[in-house]
Amino acid sequence: GGIITQTPKFLIGQEGQKLTLKCQQNFNHDTMYWYRQDSGKGLRLIYYSITENDLQKGDLSEGYDASREKKSSFSLTVTSAQKNEMAVFLCASSGLGGREQYFGPGTRLTVL
Amino acid sequence: GEQVEQRPPHLSVREGDSAIIICTYTDSATAYFSWYKQEAGAGLQLLMSVLSNVDRKEEQGLTVLLNKKDKRLSLNLTAAHPGDSAVYFCAVSASNDSGYNKLTFGKGTVLLVSP
Repeated sequence: GGIITQTPKFLIGQEGQKLTLKCQQNFNHDTMYWYRQDSGKGLRLIYYSITENDLQKGDLSEGYDASREKKSSFSLTVTSAQKNEMAVFLCASSGLGGREQYFGPGTRLTVL
Repeated sequence: GEQVEQRPPHLSVREGDSAIIICTYTDSATAYFSWYKQEAGAGLQLLMSVLSNVDRKEEQGLTVLLNKKDKRLSLNLTAAHPGDSAVYFCAVSASNDSGYNKLTFGKGTVLLVSP
């Protein structure tokens, strides 16, 4: 088995601030994802990385940057935090193909 | 693109009753169907998945039914217990041009099972 670790668990920032969320996985999975979860809206894909050195925009990439530093880690940066961005950010990983995804516990973002 | 509707948004049942959650999708090329469970404060956990050539799958008190004609996927918890209380998501996928299978999620069903 493996595990996905997300840091921090809670992130509080100021409006306009640049904020970085980190994700590590030890499944040795090729593909990693960042989703945003808003209450009542399900999950929306922000960025994904099919393999190391790859970066793909999802449906909600505007206002975010991502970085796949190495196979096991994938970071998400909120470039300028806005109050309507308060949500839970979920990291996931999968083998090539992406059908079975494994999720981390999430980072809850609050913007003051 | 793919659209997924999930209902009901909230479901309350008594222990021992069955709980049924339904998703409908729009893309006839959809090939892979899955259900996830999210407990409070946690990420999503894969419960069951089926390919498009499977109509029914049962596993540990859970039944997944797939009706391709109606583009409908359902999850039935046959005898729910309080530990099943969580948010449940369906997710479907079909390959895009790169061969990567993007998942499209339903909006979730909050299930409450009372003793």
